[in-house]
Amino acid sequence: IVLTQSPGTLSLSPGERATLSCRASQSVSSNYLAWYQQKPGQAPRLLIYGASSRATGIPDRFSGSGSGTDFTLTISRLEPEDFAVYYCQQYGNSPQTFGQGTKLEIK
Amino acid sequence: EVRLVESGGGLVQPGGSLRLSCAASGFTFSTSAMSWVRQPPGKGLEWVSIIGASGSNTYYTDSVKGRFTISRDNSENTLYVQMNSLRVEDTAVYYCAAYKSGWYVYWGQGALVTVSS
Repeated sequence: IVLTQSPGTLSLSPGERATLSCRASQSVSSNYLAWYQQKPGQAPRLLIYGASSRATGIPDRFSGSGSGTDFTLTISRLEPEDFAVYYCQQYGNSPQTFGQGTKLEIK
Repeated sequence: EVRLVESGGGLVQPGGSLRLSCAASGFTFSTSAMSWVRQPPGKGLEWVSIIGASGSNTYYTDSVKGRFTISRDNSENTLYVQMNSLRVEDTAVYYCAAYKSGWYVYWGQGALVTVSS
């Protein structure tokens, strides 16, 4: 399954709402989709699994939604530490695959 | 505190070999499936290989089949990947990651592998 993330780069200001898209080339089995955040020089960090479940310790301003082929990560009010690259991953179909990433930058 | 610490990265010539290790602590390593995920410089994430908790089941992405071998030592809480016949396109930061029901809950800091003449 090919995952296509859009936009490639999103320029927003702190306090604004961010909406990141992940579209799959075919339906993701059982909504087995995860989202990760990666900051420069750091490993990815799990944010969301099962399309909409927040990982331990993740603030509730992060939320995931979607099903089938269209998934969304929403950050309700951007904090300065949220500017990073975000990746989606599908693990419902073998082989698991990642999207190419969306860079969220400060406007 | 959960820790995954990779080691063994470095510069190797095309066709050469390298073995990466990942020392785990702070969680029950012996009951966790583990993966290697790589990231070429400036690019996105790519799943490389996965091994089941007991070590009996292993899977690889097509581009490394026959060249990479994943293994683990549960008595030492350590994950390995033996990389042979390395190619320039294998250049990447290699992360070990703990796999939980499909997603990666813990990640190491990564080990850089550079394949170049």
